[in-house]
Amino acid sequence: AQKITQTQPGMFVQEKEAVTLDCTYDTSDQSYGLFWYKQPSSGEMIFLIYQGSYDEQNATEGRYSLNFQKARKSANLVISASQLGDSAMYFCAILYNQGGKLIFGQGTELSVKP
Amino acid sequence: DAGVIQSPRHEVTEMGQEVTLRCKPISGHDYLFWYRQTMMRGLELLIYFNNNVPIDDSGMPEDRFSAKMPNASFSTLKIQPSEPRDSAVYFCASSFREHQPQHFGDGTRLSIL
Repeated sequence: AQKITQTQPGMFVQEKEAVTLDCTYDTSDQSYGLFWYKQPSSGEMIFLIYQGSYDEQNATEGRYSLNFQKARKSANLVISASQLGDSAMYFCAILYNQGGKLIFGQGTELSVKP
Repeated sequence: DAGVIQSPRHEVTEMGQEVTLRCKPISGHDYLFWYRQTMMRGLELLIYFNNNVPIDDSGMPEDRFSAKMPNASFSTLKIQPSEPRDSAVYFCASSFREHQPQHFGDGTRLSIL
């Protein structure tokens, strides 16, 4: 069975600094996808970044990058140069190889301090 | 580009009433998903469709919940009769292909009194 673990319920970071949000997963599939979503206090779910299990390079999208370590089964999100608007809940999710079923972690609440 | 559109944004109703949530996916997306988010259980997939056909409804909590997708641009999630424990935020999402990112609507915040 697929499982996603986010061990940091809450994180604080100073504005303009980088922060890493942890995500580990457990799957017996060889082919899978890993996603990160942001949920601000307004409630919407915003797609940030995707990493396929066969992708050799770490995914990057602007200030977001994914530190993918397949052997360790980890897919940590790195946010560079944090901004006040980055304060939100962040969810890691894994996609089943069979079908479109996303399994979400419990989330990490990030607070950016001015 | 229009994103996933959900209605209503907020719904407050009394226990026992029928509730219908609506979703318009992004045009051209083949997959549509319904999720529920609560503090206790986090984000859970209820059901998803591929080309308007339900593929996996194992997350639907009980027979009071039903979902339909009569065409590629519209889906409904219905709860009948509603109960207070159904109070949650319900999200609809769509994706272009099976392993593509899912794009979420703004959600419907449902309160059953």
